Amino acid sequence: EIVLTQSPGTLSLSPGERATLSCRASQTVSNSYLAWYKQRPGQAPRLLIYGASSRATGIPDRFSGSGSGTDFTFTISRLEPEDFAVYYCQQYGTSPYTFGQGTKLEIK
Amino acid sequence: QLQLQESGPGLVKPSETLSLTCTVSGGSTSSSSYYWGWIRQPPGKGLEWIGSIYYSGSTYYNPSLKSRVSISVDTSKNQFSLRVNSVTAADTAVYYCGRTLSSRWPPGIFDPWGQGTLVTVSS
Repeated sequence: EIVLTQSPGTLSLSPGERATLSCRASQTVSNSYLAWYKQRPGQAPRLLIYGASSRATGIPDRFSGSGSGTDFTFTISRLEPEDFAVYYCQQYGTSPYTFGQGTKLEIK
Repeated sequence: QLQLQESGPGLVKPSETLSLTCTVSGGSTSSSSYYWGWIRQPPGKGLEWIGSIYYSGSTYYNPSLKSRVSISVDTSKNQFSLRVNSVTAADTAVYYCGRTLSSRWPPGIFDPWGQGTLVTVSS
C-alpha cells in the first residue's frame, strides 16, 4: 500500500497570501495519478486537482498542482476566505487507492 | 447536475451488517463512462477508499476490507449499494458515495461525492 505523507499538518496564513502544501508518497505514484481534495467542516470532499496538475471542472486557476514520482505540491496563489479548510492528497494509480492524512489550512 | 444521496440506518449493532444505498439523480448508473464507489471517514480522521463498481457489476475492493465488503449496482433503480459484514466500533464513520471522474481513469478518483451519512456501530 502506498502511504502518503502530507506536510505541514497545519498551515496558518492570512487571506491574500500564498499557500504551498506538500504530499510525499512511499512509492512512485503511477502515471502521476495524484489528486487533491478540499473538505470544509460538515461537508463532503471536493475534487480540485487530478493527474497531479489538471484542474477539475469549475476550479479557479488560483489553484495549481505539480510534481511527479513521489513528491507533489499543491499551491493556492492568493488565499480567499473560503479556501480555509482541510486539504487531502490521494493516489489513484495503485490499488488500494490511498489518501494522505490531510493539511489543515487555517486563518492566521 | 449529478446528485448522489446516501441512505440507510444510522445505528448498527456490533457483529451485524451495515447496509447503505446511494441513489443517483441527474445521471445514470448504467453509463459506461464512469465507475461508482464508496469512501468512509471515521469521526475526526482521514479518508479511506472502500471500493468501486462498474455498471456491468465488476467490482474493485480495498484489500483491507475485501473479506467483509460487498458493493452491488441496480441500474433499474439507478442505485448502488454497500454492505459491510461483522461490523465493529472501528467501522463507525461517515460513509460517502461518489462517481468516479471517468472510466478512462482508475476507479478511485471521485467527483462528485454525496453529502455523506454517519453510521455508528454500538449496542
